[in-house]
Amino acid sequence: DTGVSQNPRHKITKRGQNVTFRCDPISEHNRLYWYRQTLGQGPEFLTYFQNEAQLEKSRLLSDRFSAERPKGSFSTLEIQRTEQGDSAMYLCASSLARLAGAYNEQFFGPGTRLTVL
Amino acid sequence: GQQVMQIPQYQHVQEGEDFTTYCNSSTTLSNIQWYKQRPGGHPVFLIQLVKSGEVKKQKRLTFQFGEAKKNSSLHITATQTTDVGTYFCAGPLGYNFNKFYFGSGTKLNVKP
Repeated sequence: DTGVSQNPRHKITKRGQNVTFRCDPISEHNRLYWYRQTLGQGPEFLTYFQNEAQLEKSRLLSDRFSAERPKGSFSTLEIQRTEQGDSAMYLCASSLARLAGAYNEQFFGPGTRLTVL
Repeated sequence: GQQVMQIPQYQHVQEGEDFTTYCNSSTTLSNIQWYKQRPGGHPVFLIQLVKSGEVKKQKRLTFQFGEAKKNSSLHITATQTTDVGTYFCAGPLGYNFNKFYFGSGTKLNVKP
């Protein structure tokens, strides 16, 4: 399977615990996005990587959230001291853009569903 | 909050009827993309529009980008049950290419 993969698919945790999600994009894709989606809403932009550089971070992403893409390949999203309001589907997407400012389709992974009790 | 709005929020149609969803942005979009998300699934790319006034067709689907590049529409002719899902428009607002915003989505239900 050469699509975007995310692990784990489901995570149940207790309030105050830390969680980490992993995203493996399509191998040649240089752009990677993280989104959060709650029921009945569209994906909300969290952060964006161009190769290994994190170029943008939404103000929705409090200091409890951190994302990395250390070698420009896979990415991790960590949430510290989880709160019930963090319960959502966390989606990762990747795309290939050969030109600065160019956009191509984003390929989404299946998401990680987080439930904070 | 969402800066890209879509209407209607829900649409229920009889199979064979047409369907249209509208996307409106508070600021100019450098380009716009449309995605479809099936129930329980993840968003899947449909199309990208770049030019002012652009119109593209994919079989029964027609996509339009407004002249001012602040609005877009998706029209489905003669809906089928396979069209069920939520349709999202998305794009970078203004010329900040690094932030990508999705609309609130239009959920389409097609009755056979």
